[in-house]
Amino acid sequence: AQKVTQAQTEISVVEKEDVTLDCVYETRDTTYYLFWYKQPPSGELVFLIRRNSFDEQNEISGRYSWNFQKSTSSFNFTITASQVVDSAVYFCALRQSNDYKLSFGAGTTVTVRA
Amino acid sequence: DSGVTQTPKHLITATGQRVTLRCSPRSGDLSVYWYQQSLDQGLQFLIQYYNGEERAKGNILERFSAQQFPDLHSELNLSSLELGDSALYFCASSVADYTEAFFGQGTRLTVV
Repeated sequence: AQKVTQAQTEISVVEKEDVTLDCVYETRDTTYYLFWYKQPPSGELVFLIRRNSFDEQNEISGRYSWNFQKSTSSFNFTITASQVVDSAVYFCALRQSNDYKLSFGAGTTVTVRA
Repeated sequence: DSGVTQTPKHLITATGQRVTLRCSPRSGDLSVYWYQQSLDQGLQFLIQYYNGEERAKGNILERFSAQQFPDLHSELNLSSLELGDSALYFCASSVADYTEAFFGQGTRLTVV
């Protein structure tokens, strides 16, 4: 069985602070795919990143960065110098190689205060 | 804009009724997925179609059904609606199974 745990339910920060969202996953597959999605107050789900299990390179995209560590089954997401527009619910998701669905974590609500 | 179009955006209906949610995938995407988002269950996979064929089924109730048409748009039919079916229903599409899925804006269904 596959499982994604986002232990942080809510995080509140002041603008310009950094915020790190934790994601821990469980899978027996050696090939799998990890994703992060953002759901702003308007409700849509916005794709942020996909990481394959065989690629442990960390990635940075502007103020966003991701730290993938297979040894600890974690795929954490950091927002640097947060902005009010970063306020949203962030979901981590897992897809196994022999499965077609995304298994989502419960999500972490990030509130950035001005 | 993800390129995935869902209609309608909002739907209010009474218990026992039947509704149809529509989804147009991104141009070129053959896979369509349906997900349900509710407060108590979170984001749950319902069903996937690939090029017109049902590919995978998740936690989809027997009262719910879906199909994908030759032009690749998809419809999710919900019947004998109950209060507990109130949720945000997302459609997503992807080029291949291992690539990222792009989500539509969702249809917010309220059953009263």
